[in-house]
Amino acid sequence: EIVLTQSPGTLSLSPGERATLSCRASQSVSSSKLAWYQQKPGQAPRLLIYGASSRATGIPDRFSGSGSGTDFTLTISRLEPEDFAVYYCQQYGSSPRTFGQGTKVEIK
Amino acid sequence: QVQLQESGPGLVKPSETLSLTCTVSGGSISSYFWNWIRQPPGKGLEWIGYIYYSGSTNYNPSLKSRVTISVDTSKNQFSLNLISVTAADTAVYYCVGLAVGGPFDPWGQGTLVTVSS
Repeated sequence: EIVLTQSPGTLSLSPGERATLSCRASQSVSSSKLAWYQQKPGQAPRLLIYGASSRATGIPDRFSGSGSGTDFTLTISRLEPEDFAVYYCQQYGSSPRTFGQGTKVEIK
Repeated sequence: QVQLQESGPGLVKPSETLSLTCTVSGGSISSYFWNWIRQPPGKGLEWIGYIYYSGSTNYNPSLKSRVTISVDTSKNQFSLNLISVTAADTAVYYCVGLAVGGPFDPWGQGTLVTVSS
């Protein structure tokens, strides 16, 4: 099973600032099959990024993903008020599909 | 677009069976792999397993001995049965679609199931 470790656990930033979230895998993620999800309180997760760097339908271009192998990054170029949430990475290259433990982006 | 809706009891007694159903609308049940994912209160996400419309399944090894996922193509529904539940099974349960080789999308809104006597 691939273990995904996200860092930091919490990121305290102000609107307009840049957010950089990390996801490290315990072994190489096949074909960069790495996704990022955003979850707000009381809501289901929403797909943001798939294939490590492709934005899902309707996702603003301030969200970008990068990385390969074992190291992946989600960047939010300029935080909007609606971006404060928990973000999860998830690998779908091997079974069982696993999630990271999440990074909370909170308002500073 | 495809929409998913979970239904089932919100309270289950310890040692009993948790049963949930997901109804698929706006698309064909043959188009995706159908998953269950859960999230204990305040914690992260755990994939439980999936079923294809043909009936083939794949389960998380950590839950495999207690889980059964089934599909009813005539009703555009799939279901989760989790036996011998304990308080550790208290969670929001999501039904989620998955295209071949793709990420989890779309998601149902989730339903909270509490295990308590």
